[in-house]
Amino acid sequence: GAGVSQSPRYKVAKRGQDVALRCDPISGHVSLFWYQQALGQGPEFLTYFQNEAQLDKSGLPSDRFFAERPEGSVSTLKIQRTQQEDSAVYLCASAGTVNGEQYFGPGTRLTVT
Amino acid sequence: GNSVTQMEGPVTLSEEAFLTINCTYTATGYPSLFWYVQYPGEGLQLLLKATKADDKGSNKGFEATYRKETTSFHLEKGSVQVSDSAVYFCALSDPGGSQGNLIFGKGTKLSVKP
Repeated sequence: GAGVSQSPRYKVAKRGQDVALRCDPISGHVSLFWYQQALGQGPEFLTYFQNEAQLDKSGLPSDRFFAERPEGSVSTLKIQRTQQEDSAVYLCASAGTVNGEQYFGPGTRLTVT
Repeated sequence: GNSVTQMEGPVTLSEEAFLTINCTYTATGYPSLFWYVQYPGEGLQLLLKATKADDKGSNKGFEATYRKETTSFHLEKGSVQVSDSAVYFCALSDPGGSQGNLIFGKGTKLSVKP
């Protein structure tokens, strides 16, 4: 069966540009997480959705970061006015139940030049 | 706050050698503990987990025991293979939350030579 997919896999943006990163979770999965993984570091939590509700956005580093999941399925992470420090791999994970095992996508590697 | 510390890599071993990757944690409450593996070019995969003290998680020859007294969850394998070359992440689920978001260590890169 299909796992979690993310697109694009690689994105190069000039500083100041806006970007949108897409996550297609496993069908029917209730929970969806976004993580940010800087080079040489472990993933860090950004935000959590339960169905279409964004229940936790405590990890978003600034108000330039915005995430949505309007129909409780596909999610988009948007970064406005990208900065060099935004360069990282952005990981999406979904889980079939609240607190269930998380299945990770391959990530989107964002490079801001 | 809650955190995970794991041994720094890279770790280079010969095939059939014994592997230990140390992981300790700081947490309020009683978190669940995990080891994730990231093979080259692939996404993170759950390797094993333990949900309470003295539980042992195991999978693919890897084992880790949840030690509350030493706040540790060390990963071990008796005989590594070249195919085990990957980055290994120790993680805990935030015990203060109900949604299960994970707190990760920095990762340990393992290279196994034939």
